[in-house]
Formats: sequence, structure tokens, C-alpha cells
Amino acid sequence: EPEVTQTPSHQVTQMGQEVILRCVPISNHLYFYWYRQILGQKVEFLVSFYNNEISEKSEIFDDQFSVERPDGSNFTLKIRSTKLEDSAMYFCASSPFGQELEEQYFGPGTRLTVT
Amino acid sequence: QQQVKQSPQSLIVQKGGISIINCAYENTAFDYFPWYQQFPGKGPALLIAIRPDVSEKKEGRFTISFNKSAKQFSLHIMDSQPGDSATYFCAARGDKIIFGKGTRLHILP
Repeated sequence: EPEVTQTPSHQVTQMGQEVILRCVPISNHLYFYWYRQILGQKVEFLVSFYNNEISEKSEIFDDQFSVERPDGSNFTLKIRSTKLEDSAMYFCASSPFGQELEEQYFGPGTRLTVT
Repeated sequence: QQQVKQSPQSLIVQKGGISIINCAYENTAFDYFPWYQQFPGKGPALLIAIRPDVSEKKEGRFTISFNKSAKQFSLHIMDSQPGDSATYFCAARGDKIIFGKGTRLHILP
């Protein structure tokens, strides 16, 4: 069964450094998402991406964040200058049709630790 | 208004019992209500979902009950098994999916 993959599984970085989290969505999916989950808390929407542009973003997704689909398979989340409070699990998800078909398939996540 | 309130935070149920998790929402524009199951170290996985024009949906041992007038919905897990031990999130979709805070369910063997 096709699945969303994410790399790395764990990233440790120093405050102020840039990080790039990588995702490979399911190949025939059209909509891509990033979520984060601070340890023990709820999953929070960050951004959705369709047709090479951001379709929705939350208030968390400020100028420090950016997303890109650099080629036909990867979907990346960049955090320009990490803060301690960016430490969280970051989940990528993809779905076939977005609003028309809501099922989102989540990857296993990247644990980001900012020291 | 964009919140989804979930209870309880944690739940312990005997094997074979019924697990019940409740959620409430305010925004009447929500049009899709999924439940996600998350095991430690894994991403959330869609378990079952319902639209507001239906009052109940059943898939195997999992049932969603939906009360549109009360703006509440719940997940019932019948004949709960130790393998059901996980964190469960309710969610609601408007222009994006809003998750509840999660319920950590533990099924005693």
C-alpha cells in the first residue's frame, strides 16, 4: 500500500539554524499538508499546498516557514531560523482531491529538537 | 469558534468493554468530522469519518454518533481490545481540519 514517507525521522538543530524537513507524498495525490504536534498536545495545521502554491495557512505559519515542491516527488518544509518552541513532531500529509475527498494520509513524522 | 473540545483526556477500559470518546464543536460551517487513531511514534491514521447529514456511522467495532443540534459527536469502540490502545483525535473540517486535544485510551488485557 502506498504511504507518505518523511526524512529524517529525528532532527536536532541549534536555535537560529535553518532546517529542511522532507516528505514524499503518495504519488498520485494532489494536495499536500504540514502539521505539527508539540509533545503530548493536539495536532495543529500549518499549511496546505496545491498546484505549486499555498492554498491555506494557519497563524503558526509565519515568515519563518516556507514550503516547496522542488521536483515531482518531494515536498519540503523549511524553517529559516529555528526557535526553541519549534521543537515538535512535524507531520506531512497528502490527499487525492483536497476539499472533495477529505481523507488525508499522514507520514510517520519528523521529530525536530531545537537546542 | 474554531475549537473542537474533546473528552476525556485519558480513558481506561477493560478488554471487551465499550470505549466512548466525546467531542463538541461550535462552528456550524464544519462539514466533515473524522476520527484519527495514533500509535506512539506514528502519524495519525484516519479511522472513521461522518458528515453532518447522517446521525450514525458504523464500521466494524467503531461507531460515530452525531448530534447536529447539540453540535456533539462521539466515537464508540465496541468489544475494546488491547490493540486499540492508542491516542484518538476527533477533528472537524471547515477550510482546514481542526483537531481535538486527543484521548489516550488504554485497554486492560
